[in-house]
Amino acid sequence: DTGVSQNPRHKITKRGQNVTFRCDPISEHNRLYWYRQTLGQGPEFLTYFQNEAQLEKSRLLSDRFSAERPKGSFSTLEIQRTEQGDSAMYLCASSLALGQGGYGYTFGSGTRLTVV
Amino acid sequence: AQTVTQSQPEMSVQEAETVTLSCTYDTSESDYYLFWYKQPPSRQMILVIRQEAYKQQNATENRFSVNFQKAAKSFSLKISDSQLGDAAMYFCAYRRAHTDSSYKLIFGSGTRLLVRP
Repeated sequence: DTGVSQNPRHKITKRGQNVTFRCDPISEHNRLYWYRQTLGQGPEFLTYFQNEAQLEKSRLLSDRFSAERPKGSFSTLEIQRTEQGDSAMYLCASSLALGQGGYGYTFGSGTRLTVV
Repeated sequence: AQTVTQSQPEMSVQEAETVTLSCTYDTSESDYYLFWYKQPPSRQMILVIRQEAYKQQNATENRFSVNFQKAAKSFSLKISDSQLGDAAMYFCAYRRAHTDSSYKLIFGSGTRLLVRP
């Protein structure tokens, strides 16, 4: 297992287009998180899954954002009708549940989105 | 709502010297976890050290140690014998400890550490 994998690493899109990012977590991790990080800031929580269930969504996640985790494995984050304000690094992380000894995350390298 | 504040946007240290990065947080809960993460340029974020709030003893990981002051809600990171590879953004983060919580991390805005050769 090589850790948390995110694709693509970089995405440039025109305003108004839809984009989709993929995250492959560590295989035995049942929790998966999406964060957004803008330049010079710390990551901000967007949403999280336990297995295939999306259990929490931030108010940052507008109606244009949707995330899925079919079968509790990889996850996708889609942004519809992109806006320039969506330009950011999108980070994925995975972890075990507390009862399984988990307390820390493993982060992916992120997908950098630029909306022009 | 919990908040994390890092008041030092940038710090500089001479190689082999010691530097301390500051972090304060606000919470009404008594049980939680605190973390320091390192984010090198264009590379993934990695965990440096963690502290459980119920433990009075400060965590230590090799050259990295914390000064956890629960009453003051302060959680600073000390890096001893600084190395060029320590240059990165450092983020302080908070997480609730309740087993029914999402385990989401609340991050500070980060401190950029420069290491001078």
